[in-house]
Amino acid sequence: AQTVTQSQPEMSVQEAETVTLSCTYDTSESDYYLFWYKQPPSRQMILVIRQEAYKQQNATENRFSVNFQKAAKSFSLKISDSQLGDAAMYFCAYCFATKVIFGPGTSLSVIP
Amino acid sequence: NAGVTQTPKFQVLKTGQSMTLQCAQDMNHNSMYWYRQDPGMGLRLIYYSASEGTTDKGEVPNGYNVSRLNKREFSLRLESAAPSQTSVYFCASSEWAGGLQETQYFGPGTRLLVL
Repeated sequence: AQTVTQSQPEMSVQEAETVTLSCTYDTSESDYYLFWYKQPPSRQMILVIRQEAYKQQNATENRFSVNFQKAAKSFSLKISDSQLGDAAMYFCAYCFATKVIFGPGTSLSVIP
Repeated sequence: NAGVTQTPKFQVLKTGQSMTLQCAQDMNHNSMYWYRQDPGMGLRLIYYSASEGTTDKGEVPNGYNVSRLNKREFSLRLESAAPSQTSVYFCASSEWAGGLQETQYFGPGTRLLVL
C-alpha cells in the first residue's frame, strides 16, 4: 500500500533564511504526481508546487523548489528567502489514479 | 470563478442528528472528493466521485453517504452523527490528463462539532 511520511512534525526558520521540509513515500507505480500543499491558519489548502514523476527536472515556483529523487522515493520542499507569510502546515501528497495519500504534515514557524 | 465552495462553514450537531454538507465547483472538473482532517493527521479520503454518476469509497467511509447530484455538486451526508465524526471536512475537485489525476483544488472546509 502506498504511504507518505513526513518525519518532521515541526520546523522553524529565521526570516529570509532557507528551510527544507522532508517527505518520503512508498509506491510500486512509475507514473504519478507529487504535491506540496500549504495550510495556513485559515485552513484553506493551497497548492504550493507539483511534480510529475516522469519528469526528471525538479519543479520550481518562485521561492519554492523541490528535490525529487525518484529512486529514493524522496520529495523534499525547499523554501528560500522565508517570509512571515510562509508560516503554515505543509502537507506532502502522492497521487496515482483516484488514490491520493497525504502525509501527516509539518508545522513551519517563521521567526522574525 | 469561485472555485470550490462548501456550506456550511461551521456546524454543531447532537449525537444522532443528521446533516448534509454541500460542495460545488465551477471549474468543470470531472472528479470530486470528500476528506476529513483530524488533529495531527493529514487528510483522509472519505468518498470520491471519479465522474458524474459514479461514487466510490475511500479510506474512511463508515458513517457517511454521498451523492453526486450533477457535474458541479457533490454532497456528503451524515445519517446519525457521532462524536467521532467531529472533524474538519474538505471537498476537492480535479481533472484528469494522460490517465493521471491532476491537481486537486480544495474548498475552504466545514468545521463540524458533534456533541
